[in-house]
Amino acid sequence: QVQLVESGGGLVKPGGSLRLSCAASGFTFSDYYMSWIRQAPGKGLEWVSYISSSGITIYYADSVKGRFTISRDNAKNSLYLQMNSLRAEDTAVYYCARVGVGALIFDYWGQGTLVTVSS
Amino acid sequence: EIVMTQSPATLSVSPGERATLSCRASQSVGSNLAWYQQKPGQAPRLLIYGPSTRATGIPARFSGSGSGTEFTLTISSLQSEDFAVYYCQQYNNWPLTFGGGTKVEIK
Repeated sequence: QVQLVESGGGLVKPGGSLRLSCAASGFTFSDYYMSWIRQAPGKGLEWVSYISSSGITIYYADSVKGRFTISRDNAKNSLYLQMNSLRAEDTAVYYCARVGVGALIFDYWGQGTLVTVSS
Repeated sequence: EIVMTQSPATLSVSPGERATLSCRASQSVGSNLAWYQQKPGQAPRLLIYGPSTRATGIPARFSGSGSGTEFTLTISSLQSEDFAVYYCQQYNNWPLTFGGGTKVEIK
């Protein structure tokens, strides 16, 4: 079955960096587009970034553009999110999600990893 | 950016009753609208997209309708496992955006 397992979250000081990983299994990872979505504590969902199956096409939310970098390693069935210049407002649970075929919907989600930005 | 507005913020419903949730887009998204369910401490789960196609394994009591700027998620007869927060998401334009959510609670 499809599994997405995030890791790499933790406590970081403002201005710091963190790299999130998402290990995928149960499907042909290289065939699917992927995304990161976040949820601040007690708040709603916010789409963060998207990457095509080849890694050529990438999009970011304006709130993270220039600070976050999405990437993937299809040989390792892994998705990444490099987060730099972190701010308090980046505090959230970060979910890795598979993008559905033919539509920009999120058909499978990981359990999430918590990133806390605080001094 | 397309703003998605969900109403009501909280819906109190008795088990077995019908629940109707609304989602409005600030501009037309065509049929490119999805619904997700999220229970406390869990990741969201895809329910419906397109906007009336149920995702794999989703019971028939969940149905979606609408087009353009007005969409509805209907749960025909609420079961105990349906009490959760529901989010709509448009996928017609970048950036992809979600509504603020509707919490369905037990009356």
